[in-house]
Amino acid sequence: QVQLQESGPGLVKPSETLSLTCAVSGGSISSDDTFYWNWIRHHPVKGLEWIGNVHHIGSTSYNPSLKSRLTLSVDTSKNQFSLRLTSVTAADTAVYYCARDGGNKSGYALDIWGLGTQVTVSS
Amino acid sequence: EIVLTQSPGMVSLSPGERATLSCRASQSVSSGYLAWYQHKPGQAPRLLIYGASNRATGIPDRFSGSGSGTDFTLTIRRLEPEDFAVYYCQQFGRSPWTFGQGTKVEIK
Repeated sequence: QVQLQESGPGLVKPSETLSLTCAVSGGSISSDDTFYWNWIRHHPVKGLEWIGNVHHIGSTSYNPSLKSRLTLSVDTSKNQFSLRLTSVTAADTAVYYCARDGGNKSGYALDIWGLGTQVTVSS
Repeated sequence: EIVLTQSPGMVSLSPGERATLSCRASQSVSSGYLAWYQHKPGQAPRLLIYGASNRATGIPDRFSGSGSGTDFTLTIRRLEPEDFAVYYCQQFGRSPWTFGQGTKVEIK
């Protein structure tokens, strides 16, 4: 079965760039054209926030609140997708999850999630 | 963006009781694009319901979803010990996708 695993630094300094990767195992990231690969974060107070998604052909959709600082990409040769968020502040401190939009399999809901990775922005 | 408001914020129930969780949207959401998730500490969130009323693969039939327009409901018919968790609704009919703030179902 498909599994997702986030990786990246747990601590990032203010004004620097956060980079995270989500490795996909148990299946190909390109196996179904209806799949989209998502990033979501969980703030302690604000709750869950959808960051954006990327398709295996490289097309993206971003949350407007983050669009100016955000880049999502996919590497089909490594079967993974990535997040890059620039100019981070303490407000970007959260648990970051990657998740699959299961397309036709799940009515386009997020049917597979990673365990999440804690990211803290602090000097 | 569409704001989803879940109520109650927390509910205390005993195993065997029925849980009724509400999700109200600030604008109409196409039923095809409303989902419910269960989240336990240290675990990945789990898809329960998609399309407002369709159970995801492997989800027990004590979980059911209903509703349309701006009002949606997740019902857990008889709570099992493993059902005590936080539940979120999500809409993905209009970008940006948004989540409710969650309802915590705790053991009474």
